Amino acid sequence: NAGVTQTPKFQVLKTGQSMTLQCAQDMNHNSMYWYRQDPGMGLRLIYYSASEGTTDKGEVPNGYNVSRLNKREFSLRLESAAPSQTSVYFCASSEARVAYEQYFGPGTRLTVT
Amino acid sequence: AQSVTQPDIHITVSEGASLELRCNYSYGATPYLFWYVQSPGQGLQLLLKYFSGDTLVQGIKGFEAEFKRSQSSFNLRKPSVHWSDAAEYFCAVGLDSNYQLIWGAGTKLIIKP
Repeated sequence: NAGVTQTPKFQVLKTGQSMTLQCAQDMNHNSMYWYRQDPGMGLRLIYYSASEGTTDKGEVPNGYNVSRLNKREFSLRLESAAPSQTSVYFCASSEARVAYEQYFGPGTRLTVT
Repeated sequence: AQSVTQPDIHITVSEGASLELRCNYSYGATPYLFWYVQSPGQGLQLLLKYFSGDTLVQGIKGFEAEFKRSQSSFNLRKPSVHWSDAAEYFCAVGLDSNYQLIWGAGTKLIIKP
């Protein structure tokens, strides 16, 4: 039981390049989330998926797209990376509305030069 | 708008001393309340949560938190800290109206030997 897994762990991009961050969970959770973490700003929600087939914008969605591929997988895409997107990205999942308790992956550290 | 405030960016405590980390929230009704811990380079792990009932909740690693409705607070405590408790601690609030958590900016705990 791996919980929430994310790939890659580290990535360096040049401005304008694109990439997809992958996330998978094996806990049969309905809801999945993408956050970014910047120093002194806590966690900010980028997008979330309340259930398979649905996605919604969070606090900072600009510059990102998401795909809920199936119940297990939720990917985050940067179409044209910008230095402002340098951050640590976390994926999380939860059992729908139950308790809003979220389980986190280990994170992806992204640098855009 | 709902918000979560962790007034202390850093706290330094001697090993063996007691600890209290502060969290205040702004929300009309009783929210769901969480404390998470993030060790360096790691994802976030749930320490404890409050939904209803007994206002003193016990969590993992010897932590506890007390919900005080009159003060809109959910402070985290530990009677005696260990060097392994050095980490960043995040308070979060869950709203009944959607699936999102609102996060505090975090408090970094430094342990003096």
